Amino acid sequence: EVQLVESGGGFVQPGGSLRLSCAVSGFTFSEHYMDWVRQAPGKGLEWVGRIRNKAKRYSTEYAASVKGRFTISRDESKNSLFLQMVSLTTEDTAVYYCARASLDSGNYYSDDWGQGTLVTVSS
Amino acid sequence: DIQMTQSPSSLSASVGDRVTITCRASQRINNYLVWFQQKPGKAPKSLIYAASSLQSGVPSRFSGSGTGTEFTLTISSLQPEDFATYYCQHYHSYPLTFGQGTRLEIK
Repeated sequence: EVQLVESGGGFVQPGGSLRLSCAVSGFTFSEHYMDWVRQAPGKGLEWVGRIRNKAKRYSTEYAASVKGRFTISRDESKNSLFLQMVSLTTEDTAVYYCARASLDSGNYYSDDWGQGTLVTVSS
Repeated sequence: DIQMTQSPSSLSASVGDRVTITCRASQRINNYLVWFQQKPGKAPKSLIYAASSLQSGVPSRFSGSGTGTEFTLTISSLQPEDFATYYCQHYHSYPLTFGQGTRLEIK
C-alpha cells in the first residue's frame, strides 16, 4: 500500500522558517518524481514545486510564488521528501501535501497524496 | 503560465443525475490533464489521468474526455459519496496549474 505521511507543520512567525518532511512507503521511491502542493484555508489547490529522480539528477521546479524561498530535497536512504521554507509570510499559511508523481507518456502527474500538514504563519 | 478554467464553479444535483464538469486550458496541453476529487478535510484523490484514463480503483461511473484545450469530467449516475469538490490540473509544462475547483452539492 502506498503511504505518504507529512510532518513538521506548525505555527511560525512572519519571516521565520520551517522544514516539512514526508515519509513514504509502499513504492520504489527512487523511481518517482515528487511534488509539494498546498491549500490555503477555504481555497483551492496550488502546486508548490517538484523534485525529479536520481536519473534526472534530483533537479527541481518551483512555482513563482515560492521560488528563492522554498527548497525541495529528498533522501533516498530514508525514503523521505523535504520542503525547506524560509522568509515565510502570512500568504504561506496552508495545508501542505506531498504527492507521488507517476509517469504518463513522458510527463509526470500527481497520483497518490499524503494527508497534509498545516502551516500557520502569524504574528 | 497555462491558466486552467473550470465551469461551473458550483453545481447542485441529485443522486442518480448525470453531471458534467468542464475544464479549459489557455493553451494546448495535448491530453496532459488529471482530475481530482477532494472531500472536506481530506487529501485530493486522483480519478482520471491522461484526460481519459481511469485511475485504478475508481468507479466506472467516472469518465473523462477531451484533448487540446477543452476537457470534461462526467459522472454518469451520482452516488451520495460523489458530493465533493473536483479539480483539474495540467501537467504539460511548468508551472503545473490547477483549475479553481467545482463544488458539487446535493440538491
